[in-house]
Order: sequence, then C-alpha cells, then structure tokens
Amino acid sequence: GENVEQHPSTLSVQEGDSAVIKCTYSDSASNYFPWYKQELGKGPQLIIDIRSNVGEKKDQRIAVTLNKTAKHFSLHITETQPEDSAVYFCAAHTGGFKTIFGAGTRLFVKA
Amino acid sequence: DARVTQTPRHKVTEMGQEVTMRCQPILGHNTVFWYRQTMMQGLELLAYFRNRAPLDDSGMPKDRFSAEMPDATLATLKIQPSEPRDSAVYFCASGFTGGNYGYTFGSGTRLTVV
Repeated sequence: GENVEQHPSTLSVQEGDSAVIKCTYSDSASNYFPWYKQELGKGPQLIIDIRSNVGEKKDQRIAVTLNKTAKHFSLHITETQPEDSAVYFCAAHTGGFKTIFGAGTRLFVKA
Repeated sequence: DARVTQTPRHKVTEMGQEVTMRCQPILGHNTVFWYRQTMMQGLELLAYFRNRAPLDDSGMPKDRFSAEMPDATLATLKIQPSEPRDSAVYFCASGFTGGNYGYTFGSGTRLTVV
C-alpha cells in the first residue's frame, strides 16, 4: 500500500525566512497531493494541493512542487510569519477512497 | 463557510464505559472518514463511508469499535468497552468521491479514558 514519509519532523525558522517541508510517496499511481495545516486545538485544514499533471502551484506565500519521477513533493512557505506556526501534514491520494498522511512537521516561526 | 460538526468536543470517561462520538458532515459530501490522532501515531485512518456505505474499517479494533452512518447527516463512532489506550483526539472529515478535492475536517473529539 501507499506510504508517505515526511521530513523534517520539527522545523524552527526566524520570522521572514523560508520554510521547506519535503515528502516522498511510494505508490506511483498517486495522483493528488494535498497539504493540511493544523493549529492547536483544531482539525487539519486544507491549505493547498497539487495534481499529478502539474509540477508546481503557488498561492501567495505558499507553493508546492511535485516531482513524479522521483515521487517526492514539497511545501515552500516564504516570508514566514508567527501565525504560520502549526503542524503541517502532506498526503497522497491514489484515486480510490484513501488518502495517506505523512507523520507531520511541527513548524515554529520565531518572532 | 460549510463546516463539519463534531460532538462532544471533550469526553472524559472511565475504563469500561461506552463512548459515542458524533459527526455531521458537510451537506452534499458523499464520503465520510474517521481518523484518530495521537502523538505517537499521527493521523490514523479508522474507517470511511461512501454514500453512507462502509467501505473500509480495517483500521479499527473490531472487537470494541464500531462506525455507522444512519443517515446522510450523521456519522457515529462507538467504543465499547473503552480502554485507556483509546485516549486520543478523534476527527471526522468529509469530502467528495475520489478525494481529489481534499477533505474538510471537524474540530475533533478529545477522548480521555481513565
């Protein structure tokens, strides 16, 4: 079955710096890759996604890249702000009904 | 904004007691998921439904967990009897068939079994 590995598990950056979170997946049939942000005491919230026919997608300060050959995808946050501090989950979906989540990255943005 | 509503938000119960968690998915979503989140296991899929039919509950301990969807507006997750190792946050999420549009998660039920 699908397996998603996410790195790093913890990331600490200075406000204004960039943050990058990387994920790899095992099932080459995966075709949809969402990213979720989870703030303390809340459920994960979809913040951006990318489909397998696209290599990069950007939404303001966040961007995702996908390398299908290498089976890895990344989340990039530029000009980080304290409110970006949260746990971020990557996920991979194969077109059935299961989405497999990575283990999460706890991001700290220091003011 | 459309929301997934979960009740209760917090539940403290004694070992051996029955626990029922409820979820109201977003109207029109045809897929409902139950996830369990712990520090050690991350987001663990317990069960999911499509058009109210259970598709996969292989992630649940069958002897004590059960998930149902009696109608399109209500999904339930029951634990009977509960054990301390069941302490976790349980999330419900809903979405469309195929999942290529992401899921909307509820705020979760934090369960503590003492």
